[in-house]
Amino acid sequence: GAGVSQSPSNKVTEKGKDVELRCDPISGHTALYWYRQSLGQGLEFLIYFQGNSAPDKSGLPSDRFSAERTGGSVSTLTIQRTQQEDSAVYLCASSPDRYYTFGSGTRLTVV
Amino acid sequence: RKEVEQDPGPFNVPEGATVAFNCTYSNSASQSFFWYRQDCRKEPKLLMSVYSSGNEDGRFTAQLNRASQYISLLIRDSKLSDSATYLCVVNPGYSTLTFGKGTMLLVSP
Repeated sequence: GAGVSQSPSNKVTEKGKDVELRCDPISGHTALYWYRQSLGQGLEFLIYFQGNSAPDKSGLPSDRFSAERTGGSVSTLTIQRTQQEDSAVYLCASSPDRYYTFGSGTRLTVV
Repeated sequence: RKEVEQDPGPFNVPEGATVAFNCTYSNSASQSFFWYRQDCRKEPKLLMSVYSSGNEDGRFTAQLNRASQYISLLIRDSKLSDSATYLCVVNPGYSTLTFGKGTMLLVSP
């Protein structure tokens, strides 16, 4: 596709459930990033993938969060045992260099 | 000190006004700088890069002062469609970008 695609666009889940968020980057972009944005807050870096290198996981807030990127393309962010404080918009971005293109995000609500 | 600091606003201006936003960053080794625009409930989109020599794109002018670790964005002849949150973004020298919390601009008729 022409842009970064994220799914689902909205997800409501019960506290304690696991969720998976998907990101399909722009074809050919080697770098992929996950950020989250809570209401009224700035973007918080979560994890970064570059090609076949080991990911930079330094932004993951707890061990309940994990992400993988298969075949250098699609990425999945998994949140286990969701908590209410996980409610946020999860944004994926891909980049060929310094310039990010964001997807439209997944709005996660934990009830 | 926060890595990237911005006045959250909102800045309320009438159409046609000139408005300026400022941003400071803490890491003196930062290498590249950007302004992104984020509309309500939308994803951020790149507005422009910021260079030491200053750069202009139509009604938008961005300036960087490395000595003061300060970045600015000037919008001339504001339009209603300029209403958005403007994010100051810094590459602190590694691979990821650091985003400010943004400055909200509201342009009224």
